[in-house]
Amino acid sequence: DTGVSQDPRHKITKRGQNVTFRCDPISEHNRLYWYRQTLGQGPEFLTYFQNEAQLEKSRLLSDRFSAERPKGSFSTLEIQRTEQGDSAMYLCASSLDTSGEQFFGPGTRLTVL
Amino acid sequence: GENVEQHPSTLSVQEGDSAVIKCTYSDSASNYFPWYKQELGKGPQLIIDIRSNVGEKKDQRIAVTLNKTAKHFSLHITETQPEDSAVYFCAASIGGSTLGRLYFGRGTQLTVWP
Repeated sequence: DTGVSQDPRHKITKRGQNVTFRCDPISEHNRLYWYRQTLGQGPEFLTYFQNEAQLEKSRLLSDRFSAERPKGSFSTLEIQRTEQGDSAMYLCASSLDTSGEQFFGPGTRLTVL
Repeated sequence: GENVEQHPSTLSVQEGDSAVIKCTYSDSASNYFPWYKQELGKGPQLIIDIRSNVGEKKDQRIAVTLNKTAKHFSLHITETQPEDSAVYFCAASIGGSTLGRLYFGRGTQLTVWP
């Protein structure tokens, strides 16, 4: 399968714990995006990378959130000291900067108890 | 920032009928408008998109129209089938030749009855 993959697909954690999610984009795509989606809403932008450079961060991305894309390939999104309000689906998408079409992965569903 | 409004929030049609979903956007600098289909437990799937230099685009049973003056765009699905049942999202992007973040509408739950 050459699509966007995310791991894990589901994560249940207790409030206050740290969690890390991984995204592997389509191999030739140089842009990688993170979005968050809560029930009944459209995805909301969190941040995006062009190669290894983080080019934009939403104000939704509090200082408890950090994202990296160290070698311009896969990316990780870490949430520290999780809160119940962090419960959501975390979606990753990738694109070529020349076309802009974003292709999404299956998402990681986070539940904070 | 950009604000995308989507209507209706739910839509029920009989198999074979047409379905239309409408979106408006606020920022005249937006120039890329994709539509996504999301099935339960899955990520959004790109089904069609349109750029601001085009007024209409078709792909088999799906078409999208764009009115830049009125700042609205619509998704048209003809000859609907039960497998078209899903949540549909419109989105808009600002950025000229270097497209960045997408701003999404709140989604339309489409149900197609056999």
